[in-house]
Amino acid sequence: RKEVEQDPGPFNVPEGATVAFNCTYSNSASQSFFWYRQDCRKEPKLLMSVYSSGNEDGRFTAQLNRASQYISLLIRDSKLSDSATYLCVVNMGSAGGTSYGKLTFGQGTILTVHP
Amino acid sequence: DTEVTQTPKHLVMGMTNKKSLKCEQHMGHRAMYWYKQKAKKPPELMFVYSYEKLSINESVPSRFSPECPNSSLLNLHLHALQPEDSALYLCASSQGTGGNQPQHFGDGTRLSIL
Repeated sequence: RKEVEQDPGPFNVPEGATVAFNCTYSNSASQSFFWYRQDCRKEPKLLMSVYSSGNEDGRFTAQLNRASQYISLLIRDSKLSDSATYLCVVNMGSAGGTSYGKLTFGQGTILTVHP
Repeated sequence: DTEVTQTPKHLVMGMTNKKSLKCEQHMGHRAMYWYKQKAKKPPELMFVYSYEKLSINESVPSRFSPECPNSSLLNLHLHALQPEDSALYLCASSQGTGGNQPQHFGDGTRLSIL
C-alpha cells in the first residue's frame, strides 16, 4: 500500500463546477497534512494546511478524518486558473524520529477546468 | 514570486562534469531540503538540513553531495552524474522540521545529463 494515495484522476470539469479530491495515508502517527498545487513545469506551491477541525480558504475547503486516515479537498466554483496538479502531502515524522520533517507526497491528481 | 531562489534555472552537463546547484532563502527558516522530481511524478526527498546540519539523507548516491554553508544557503554539488539523474531539482525551506511546518519551494533547476 502506498504511504499516501490519491484519486487517480484526471478530472475534467466545466467552469463553475464543484470538484472534490480524496487522499488516504497509511501511517496513523502522521503529524500534519497539506494540499499543494503544481502547475506544469513549475514548483509545488502550498495551497493550504489541513487541520483536524477542517478549514476553509475562500473557494477551497479541506477536511481531515484521522480515524479513517483520510483527507479531502473541495473546490467550489472552479476557475480556469484552478487547472493544475493537486498534491496531497503528509508529514509522517514524530519528535525525535529520524523521519522528522519528511514530507511524503501523493502521486497527484490532475485537474483541468474548461470553459 | 517564490521566496526561495534557485540558480541556475537550467543546466546541461556531461557525465564527467562537476557543477553545483545553489539555493537561497531569506525568510529565517532553519530547515532546508533538496528534492528530485521526474516528469509526471511527485517530488522525492533527497536531503534535509536542520540548523545547518544534515539530518536526513534518503540513501542518495554519493555523486550528489549537499552542503549548507550557512542558514540561508544550500548547495548541491554534482559529479559524475548519469543520464537517469536528469530531472527537476527542487529546493525547499521551512521554519523548522516539526509540527505544522509547511515547506516553501523554489522554482527549481532543470538538469539534463548528456
